[in-house]
Amino acid sequence: KNEVEQSPQNLTAQEGEFITINCSYSVGISALHWLQQHPGGGIVSLFMLSSGKKKHGRLIATINIQEKHSSLHITASHPRDSAVYICAATPTLNYGGSQGNLIFGKGTKLSVKP
Amino acid sequence: DVKVTQSSRYLVKRTGEKVFLECVQDMDHENMFWYRQDPGLGLRLIYFSYDVKMKEKGDIPEGYSVSREKKERFSLILESASTNQTSMYLCASSRPLGVMDGETQYFGPGTRLLVL
Repeated sequence: KNEVEQSPQNLTAQEGEFITINCSYSVGISALHWLQQHPGGGIVSLFMLSSGKKKHGRLIATINIQEKHSSLHITASHPRDSAVYICAATPTLNYGGSQGNLIFGKGTKLSVKP
Repeated sequence: DVKVTQSSRYLVKRTGEKVFLECVQDMDHENMFWYRQDPGLGLRLIYFSYDVKMKEKGDIPEGYSVSREKKERFSLILESASTNQTSMYLCASSRPLGVMDGETQYFGPGTRLLVL
């Protein structure tokens, strides 16, 4: 079982739809990250959170520490949101975290159709 | 803004060749990382370094080595390239844990390597 699991693997939406991507983890963490990777490769950090909720524009990330679960929401989706979204966790020291190495989910490929 | 650059976007090499992938960051970050990314497998850590001349193996170090002679530069070396090393290679850097923003990794644009 992977330590960080994402669902769904693939997601197709119509422009304007509300989108949710889920992430569950099984290790102790000090932070949970949401990353975005556009076609072509470069990865950008969207959010880093350890509790509660963060919002940036149309993107919202939430985390429930007790349930070991995080969600990334996109409101009013647009074709330019099409990308791979990756959830990653910074494990605590007793789960193998040492210098900030991350445990990655396998990513969710989002395609938003006009 | 943090900038992480990688020496090549695309690279084609032959089996058995020695391959050098270079990564440079301009934010004086202590930590640097090399990953490979394959379809269905996600990002996997090859090696990381938390200081000059220091290195630690990640999840899949076999067939790779690294060099960190200067703080800003972290090189990944494929001693004898094989076809199963065809992949996307991504470099990242970060501050140490315990300092502000120490857990955010900043990624380079990636190098797509094809080994024939």
